[in-house]
Amino acid sequence: RKEVEQDPGPFNVPEGATVAFNCTYSNSASQSFFWYRQDCRKEPKLLMSVYSSGNEDGRFTAQLNRASQYISLLIRDSKLSDSATYLCVVSDSGTYKYIFGTGTRLKVLA
Amino acid sequence: GAVVSQHPSWVICKSGTSVKIECRSLDFQATTMFWYRQFPKQSLMLMATSNEGSKATYEQGVEKDKFLINHASLTLSTLTVTSAHPEDSSFYICSARQEEAFFGQGTRLTVV
Repeated sequence: RKEVEQDPGPFNVPEGATVAFNCTYSNSASQSFFWYRQDCRKEPKLLMSVYSSGNEDGRFTAQLNRASQYISLLIRDSKLSDSATYLCVVSDSGTYKYIFGTGTRLKVLA
Repeated sequence: GAVVSQHPSWVICKSGTSVKIECRSLDFQATTMFWYRQFPKQSLMLMATSNEGSKATYEQGVEKDKFLINHASLTLSTLTVTSAHPEDSSFYICSARQEEAFFGQGTRLTVV
């Protein structure tokens, strides 16, 4: 079983749609969780950290369920510029290593 | 904000030659840097953890004699792909952390 699993997609959605991505992780000792965005042939960039209480940043909402070892990202009112690959990232506090999911590709269509 | 700079952004080399990739933290000191590799349509896979002033820690399956890592200063880590072969062609990315991880721009290596 992979340490971090994501549905690779692609998710093709119309502009303005709401789309949700899910991610599961296998290491129950994981402490830190993030969503990164990666554009084609570019480095990943932090989209948002994920906290147990859930957090929102504009059109983006992230949630963490420790009991189910599950992380989600919700994007509301999708824009064309949201088209990218979204990477779920998990880290434990001891090693500082980041473990990446395979990413979920999103394509927002005009 | 903090920036990590990686150089070169792309390189094409002949099979059997060695390639050095540099990773610099520009406005903060990084005692630890990470090197990743990403094949097309796959995830970033951690190759090794680079530790300033000491030996790098390699992930399982990564050959330390093939991927030489040097972290001689608090702002610079280098990855040398020795005797490169076509199967080493990939996107190599470094990372350094403050409170969050910052990534270099990546190096696209093509071995012909």
